[in-house]
Amino acid sequence: DAGVIQSPRHEVTEMGQEVTLRCKPISGHDYLFWYRQTMMRGLELLIYFNNNVPIDDSGMPEDRFSAKMPNASFSTLKIQPSEPRDSAVYFCASSPFGSGGSYNEQFFGPGTRLTVL
Amino acid sequence: KQEVTQIPAALSVPEGENLVLNCSFTDSAIYNLQWFRQDPGKGLTSLLLIQSSQREQTSGRLNASLDKSSGRSTLYIAASQPGDSATYLCAVNGNQFYFGTGTSLTVIP
Repeated sequence: DAGVIQSPRHEVTEMGQEVTLRCKPISGHDYLFWYRQTMMRGLELLIYFNNNVPIDDSGMPEDRFSAKMPNASFSTLKIQPSEPRDSAVYFCASSPFGSGGSYNEQFFGPGTRLTVL
Repeated sequence: KQEVTQIPAALSVPEGENLVLNCSFTDSAIYNLQWFRQDPGKGLTSLLLIQSSQREQTSGRLNASLDKSSGRSTLYIAASQPGDSATYLCAVNGNQFYFGTGTSLTVIP
């Protein structure tokens, strides 16, 4: 398997523009996670899906952020409108279901470095 | 809310030394704990996963232990090498995945 795939790897945009980040999880994984990493706040969970259904979006900072998972092999994170404070590295991760009743080992994609000018 | 702390924030050691990285968490009701490494500008690479029922896991020169009752995990790196230089993060899986802020390790040749 190619691992978790994210696109684009780098995105530079101007304030007010719409940004769409894409993720393809590892085939067969039941869970998909979106994270944001900044120097100030570290790694923050934004939202996660189980079998394409959003389970917890309490980490989504505000209504400008939205995430979808239309099928098991694709997810998007959209920011509209974007602001300079959204500049960060956005990671997608996927995980199989664990025998303990929760998700198991997480595998991360390479991330998308977003810069909003 | 689960809080995960990693100490020290940064560590510099000469090549060949054995070292221990620490991770502490406040809520012992966890499913598992995972250690990652992150190289500058890169994503996270999974190193070890310890289930809540386990006490330790080993992979090569790495050994991770888990003491749920005291809310602690350690990552032991034997015979450190310059290639081990990276940031090491622990993540605790309770009802969510909570990450520590990481330990930045530099191994000096």
